[in-house]
Amino acid sequence: AQRVTQPEKLLSVFKGAPVELKCNYSYSGSPELFWYVQYSRQRLQLLLRHISRESIKGFTADLNKGETSFHLKKPFAQEEDSAMYYCAPTMTGANSKLTFGKGITLSVRP
Amino acid sequence: KAGVTQTPRYLIKTRGQQVTLSCSPISGHRSVSWYQQTPGQGLQFLFEYFSETQRNKGNFPGRFSGRQFSNSRSEMNVSTLELGDSALYLCASSRDPAGELFFGEGSRLTVL
Repeated sequence: AQRVTQPEKLLSVFKGAPVELKCNYSYSGSPELFWYVQYSRQRLQLLLRHISRESIKGFTADLNKGETSFHLKKPFAQEEDSAMYYCAPTMTGANSKLTFGKGITLSVRP
Repeated sequence: KAGVTQTPRYLIKTRGQQVTLSCSPISGHRSVSWYQQTPGQGLQFLFEYFSETQRNKGNFPGRFSGRQFSNSRSEMNVSTLELGDSALYLCASSRDPAGELFFGEGSRLTVL
């Protein structure tokens, strides 16, 4: 069965500190990997997807197929990064299924 | 372009009633998915529709149902409401399944 785990519910860091939001998945096959973000009073929106290999707002996500992880990283956190982050591995094709982790709240303190 | 629109934004119902929520996707998007968002459980997948066909369904009881119309607009229905159904219900559209999701602002349902 498809399973995605975000092991932490809350991460609190000071501005300028490095951030790593963890995501582990258990899928049979190779899912496409997404991170979504929800800022306060805004809609849930795409932050980045692995296939594009882009860095968005300074965030990157490294796929580790051996560990089946897709951790989100940023070297220097900013206060505006405070938000809820969801990892979403998604199988493509006929059996595609949308599964989100339970999310992690990132709080960046001044 | 206009984003995903969900109606109503807020509603209050009592136990045993039923509710219908509506979602208008971004023009040109044929895939619509629904989620229940609660503080304790995060985002839980309800179902996904593509070209009027349900492609996938999450682990929710049969009281939760949905459909998609030929113009890609979608509705979800919850019958015999329970207190635990209180949640924010989010709709998302995408150009095709497994593509980037564009979310609506949600319909906040309170069951008393």
